[in-house]
Amino acid sequence: ETGVTQTPRHLVMGMTNKKSLKCEQHLGHNAMYWYKQSAKKPLELMFVYNFKEQTENNSVPSRFSPECPNSSHLFLHLHTLQPEDSALYLCASSQEGRLTGELFFGEGSRLTVL
Amino acid sequence: AQTVTQSQPEMSVQEAETVTLSCTYDTSESDYYLFWYKQPPSRQMILVIRQEAYKQQNATENRFSVNFQKAAKSFSLKISDSQLGDAAMYFCAYRGTNYGGSQGNLIFGKGTKLSVKP
Repeated sequence: ETGVTQTPRHLVMGMTNKKSLKCEQHLGHNAMYWYKQSAKKPLELMFVYNFKEQTENNSVPSRFSPECPNSSHLFLHLHTLQPEDSALYLCASSQEGRLTGELFFGEGSRLTVL
Repeated sequence: AQTVTQSQPEMSVQEAETVTLSCTYDTSESDYYLFWYKQPPSRQMILVIRQEAYKQQNATENRFSVNFQKAAKSFSLKISDSQLGDAAMYFCAYRGTNYGGSQGNLIFGKGTKLSVKP
């Protein structure tokens, strides 16, 4: 079992659909993150949660709505997405407070918006 | 703003040979951290190696080592005795020390795709 688990691994949705991505970490970490990975672009940090509180929102459109009910679970709710939102969405966790702490990533959720 | 540049979109190496992946960065900070992450096909991204800018000694992890040139703002990754399992996307990342404290504030390069030929 991996330390950070993401579901679903693949998702295809229309622009009017509402779906959610789920992330669960089994590492006892206190911080979780959502990243967007698009082809030929650097990874983009979307949201950061520390101890369930959102500490960063990097100008992400409101059609992406994060939720962190506890320090082990993180969701990304999707609604009225655009085709350019098609990408690999990566979840990561870390133990905040260790400056050189390692990020642990999930395998990602491949999203295709038609 | 800090930037990270990986000038080699793709690289290829023969099994058992050595390959060096390039990374340069731009920053006005004096203290920061640099990382190399590996992302195998359809698998998780994992940390390969990290370097603290205040340390002059280059970091080493088994077959992986870095050449950190602070003045030149260069941070290359050397993979010795390349193995088939080394085939992956490699990302260079920068983290400053003046952020709010979140370790997620990594700035990534676009990545280098490494192929290993048997």
